Amino acid sequence: DAMVIQNPRYQVTQFGKPVTLSCSQTLNHNVMYWYQQKSSQAPKLLFHYYDKDFNNEADTPDNFQSRRPNTSFCFLDIRSPGLGDAAMYLCATSSSGIKETQYFGPGTRLLVL
Amino acid sequence: AQSVTQPDIHITVSEGASLELRCNYSYGATPYLFWYVQSPGQGLQLLLKYFSGDTLVQGIKGFEAEFKRSQSSFNLRKPSVHWSDAAEYFCAVGAYGNEKLTFGTGTRLTIIP
Repeated sequence: DAMVIQNPRYQVTQFGKPVTLSCSQTLNHNVMYWYQQKSSQAPKLLFHYYDKDFNNEADTPDNFQSRRPNTSFCFLDIRSPGLGDAAMYLCATSSSGIKETQYFGPGTRLLVL
Repeated sequence: AQSVTQPDIHITVSEGASLELRCNYSYGATPYLFWYVQSPGQGLQLLLKYFSGDTLVQGIKGFEAEFKRSQSSFNLRKPSVHWSDAAEYFCAVGAYGNEKLTFGTGTRLTIIP
């Protein structure tokens, strides 16, 4: 039973062409996170939603935006992807704060040509 | 700022042998510490976590970790590994009042017969 679903699993886009990655959850969790994981690097938090409250990390580029239209869905928009944005993008959810387990999706691998 | 170091990029262990994966953290107050595992094609899964109390923490799949404040460490151990333990292991640190999990760069575990 999939709990955190990410679509697509692989996404190829062109340099500068906007792309949207999606995440959905069946856990009814309040918090949803987006991480970026480049090859051989640690997952890096981009931003998170606590319910409808959006929290952006200070070092997240303006090129990255997010939307959460309802509890179940969260989107990551990259307005003008550059070659450096090629990475695995991980979505995670938790019921509340930092002490709670984060449940991760399998990730979307983004390739920028 | 909080940070995590996983000194070992890759470890190879024989099936049935014991395992210890190292994790060192940097944080001024009492940290929240986590170990996650990532199998190929899968999302990260929580193995165990530590907030306070008993410094030896038991997790899923037979793993345990010990918090040592004097050494700023939270090493993961397993007495006897199975081939299915082959995966990437991530240590992470969080803190009260901050939703951000900071991950280490991971240790890739290979199991040989």
